[in-house]
Amino acid sequence: DTGVSQNPRHKITKRGQNVTFRCDPISEHNRLYWYRQTLGQGPEFLTYFQNEAQLEKSRLLSDRFSAERPKGSFSTLEIQRTEQGDSAMYLCASRDSLFPEQYFGPGTRLTVT
Amino acid sequence: GQQVMQIPQYQHVQEGEDFTTYCNSSTTLSNIQWYKQRPGGHPVFLIQLVKSGEVKKQKRLTFQFGEAKKNSSLHITATQTTDVGTYFCAGGAGNQFYFGTGTSLTVIP
Repeated sequence: DTGVSQNPRHKITKRGQNVTFRCDPISEHNRLYWYRQTLGQGPEFLTYFQNEAQLEKSRLLSDRFSAERPKGSFSTLEIQRTEQGDSAMYLCASRDSLFPEQYFGPGTRLTVT
Repeated sequence: GQQVMQIPQYQHVQEGEDFTTYCNSSTTLSNIQWYKQRPGGHPVFLIQLVKSGEVKKQKRLTFQFGEAKKNSSLHITATQTTDVGTYFCAGGAGNQFYFGTGTSLTVIP
């Protein structure tokens, strides 16, 4: 499968714990996006990378959230001191800068208890 | 801040009827994309519109971008059960995409 993959697919954690998600984009895609989606809503932009550079981060994003793409390939999204409001589906998408299509991964569903 | 609204939130149609969803942005957009998300699935790219007043067709789907680049619509002619899902517009501004609230389409056979 050469699509976008995300791990884990599901994560249940207790409030206050740290969690880290991984996204493996389509290999030739230089742009990578992280979104958060809650039930009945559209994906909400979190952050964007071009290669290894994090070029934009949502102003709504708490300092507890951090993302990296160290070698311009896979990316990680870490949430520190999770809160119940962090419960959501976390989606990763990648694209080639020459084409408009964003290809989404299956998402990581986070439940904070 | 940037907001993209979609109406209606839900739409139930009989198979064979037409369907339209409307997308409105609070600010001028660089471009607009449309995605379809099946229940339990992830968004799948349908199309991107860039030019003011642009109209594009994909078989039974017609996409329009408003003259002011602040609104867009997706029209499906003669819906089929395979059209079921939630349709999102995503307004492009800078490096960000602002997704609308989505329209959930149910097609009754």
